[in-house]
Amino acid sequence: GDSVTQMEGPVTLSEEAFLTINCTYTATGYPSLFWYVQYPGEGLQLLLKATKADDKGSNKGFEATYRKETTSFHLEKGSVQVSDSAVYFCALANSGGSNYKLTFGKGTLLTVNP
Amino acid sequence: GAGVSQSPRYKVAKRGQDVALRCDPISGHVSLFWYQQALGQGPEFLTYFQNEAQLDKSGLPSDRFFAERPEGSVSTLKIQRTQQEDSAVYLCASSSRLAGGTDTQYFGPGTRLTVL
Repeated sequence: GDSVTQMEGPVTLSEEAFLTINCTYTATGYPSLFWYVQYPGEGLQLLLKATKADDKGSNKGFEATYRKETTSFHLEKGSVQVSDSAVYFCALANSGGSNYKLTFGKGTLLTVNP
Repeated sequence: GAGVSQSPRYKVAKRGQDVALRCDPISGHVSLFWYQQALGQGPEFLTYFQNEAQLDKSGLPSDRFFAERPEGSVSTLKIQRTQQEDSAVYLCASSSRLAGGTDTQYFGPGTRLTVL
């Protein structure tokens, strides 16, 4: 079945550091890929998405590129802020008949210190 | 505008009790989803509604779990005879159209269920 593997946390960075959170997936078909973020005390929010190979999703300074050849969708940000501290989830929705189902990774806790 | 809301935010139940968790989706959203998130894990799909029709309940872990959306808006997830392994955060999400892979699902804050 479909699965998502993302780097284990926690990740602790200083403000303005470069961030990479790795995400790889296994899926039949041609999935859409997502990054969701969960700030403390809040619900999951869509951060960015990409729907086909080589697409780049971007939002709030975060970027991720859909790499079909390496089945990856790594999240990057050039300069993190304290306000980026949250749990980040990589997810996919497959292209088959159940394409509404999101399959999530386990999440990566990011803490950014001033 | 108002997002997805869920109630209660926290629920403590004794083993064997029945519980009901409520979800108010964004007004007018056609699709509604329930997910279960165990501690330290990502959310896992439970069930999907399109308006009042439950089109997929393949993720419900046992027949003790039951979900409904009788008027195509508010949904209730009911768990009968709760067990300790049911302890988790239950997330509700909605999307505006007939759900497809690229549609954004908007999540509520979740209900944290603890079964003693």
